[in-house]
Amino acid sequence: SQTIHQWPATLVQPVGSPLSLECTVEGTSNPNLYWYRQAAGRGLQLLFYSVGIGQISSEVPQNLSASRPQDRQFILSSKKLLLSDSGFYLCAYTTGSNQPQHFGDGTRLSIL
Amino acid sequence: AQKITQTQPGMFVQEKEAVTLDCTYDTSDQSYGLFWYKQPSSGEMIFLIYQGSYDEQNATEGRYSLNFQKARKSANLVISASQLGDSAMYFCAMSDNSGGGADGLTFGKGTHLIIQP
Repeated sequence: SQTIHQWPATLVQPVGSPLSLECTVEGTSNPNLYWYRQAAGRGLQLLFYSVGIGQISSEVPQNLSASRPQDRQFILSSKKLLLSDSGFYLCAYTTGSNQPQHFGDGTRLSIL
Repeated sequence: AQKITQTQPGMFVQEKEAVTLDCTYDTSDQSYGLFWYKQPSSGEMIFLIYQGSYDEQNATEGRYSLNFQKARKSANLVISASQLGDSAMYFCAMSDNSGGGADGLTFGKGTHLIIQP
């Protein structure tokens, strides 16, 4: 069966520190992968998506970046975090068009 | 650009009653998908139901059904016989399938549903 793992579940970081959030998918090959951010009490905003290794599309210009070093691995990074980067980050995958996106459990990121 | 509108920020419903959560969308695409997700207080996003723009029948999944009215661009979620465990945020979302469906979903702002005993 297909599963998606995302870690860490919670992260508290100081302003200006780097960030690395990791997401892996099991049980399928060549998934489409996505990073979303959810501000408190709001809907999800798409940050990045990837249709293959090394292929990243950015939806929102910001100080975050994404990478896909392996087929089922998606990483969200930042060199220097801002206070505005606080939020709930969700990774998702889909196996093709007209298929639902399945989400990881999310990472709650607090910037101090 | 796609847009999803959920006009009910919050709803209180008595247990065992049916619930309708409203969703309207705006798109110029001919091929698209509509989704509903449930987000409990723990934060995970749970997929509930999907409707394709070319599907003629309304989608159903157990107690969930999607009332799809294409001409009105609405995709309301109906929950029959509500249960206390249905209390959560509910998000309507759409995808653009014209480009192969790889693009991410556009989400509405959500409806906070509270089921009262």
